[in-house]
Amino acid sequence: DGGITQSPKYLFRKEGQNVTLSCEQNLNHDAMYWYRQDPGQGLRLIYYSQIVNDFQKGDIAEGYSVSREKKESFPLTVTSAQKNPTAFYLCASSIVAGGDTQYFGPGTRLTVL
Amino acid sequence: QQQVKQSPQSLIVQKGGISIINCAYENTAFDYFPWYQQFPGKGPALLIAIRPDVSEKKEGRFTISFNKSAKQFSLHIMDSQPGDSATYFCAASDGPNAGNMLTFGGGTRLMVKP
Repeated sequence: DGGITQSPKYLFRKEGQNVTLSCEQNLNHDAMYWYRQDPGQGLRLIYYSQIVNDFQKGDIAEGYSVSREKKESFPLTVTSAQKNPTAFYLCASSIVAGGDTQYFGPGTRLTVL
Repeated sequence: QQQVKQSPQSLIVQKGGISIINCAYENTAFDYFPWYQQFPGKGPALLIAIRPDVSEKKEGRFTISFNKSAKQFSLHIMDSQPGDSATYFCAASDGPNAGNMLTFGGGTRLMVKP
């Protein structure tokens, strides 16, 4: 999981509540990413950021929001607008220039009660 | 639109056997093809990766074979061990100019029987 931390590991939320997932990296990587993983499926990109104070929507951004105020931090908020938020959320980072490898954090499992 | 198709979805192999997982892609701009290994409840970890200028890359028991003309690449795990039991994802990237975006295959759940 080298250098990327996600918290909490497990998160429970009531319907209608917003919740924020934390992602921190100490790899000095410029780019950070959020993915959603559903059981038996691949990873789908939610949001990504290549530089501080800038981020782009991925394939499934609806119902999610992010911020990138610091290079090392990229929190994800799952809003009440996300219809089916129960999933495993993965944060990743990479060096933008000349590097394609993305390094993943350990993930946060979100369950909506 | 699924740009990277992975097969099979699940695979059972006897200890000592060869595990083979295949991926096919559509986007000819892809120029980096990593494989990730994921254990239950953990984040994926980079296993091995290849670029289109070579047809094969080997690291220990893991080999990637790449066929540019067919737009296919595969992961071979030689002498498969129970500890290799995990989900494997192939992926493809079209480079830093596109933000190093990775497109993932759907994953293959590998079980190696002792």
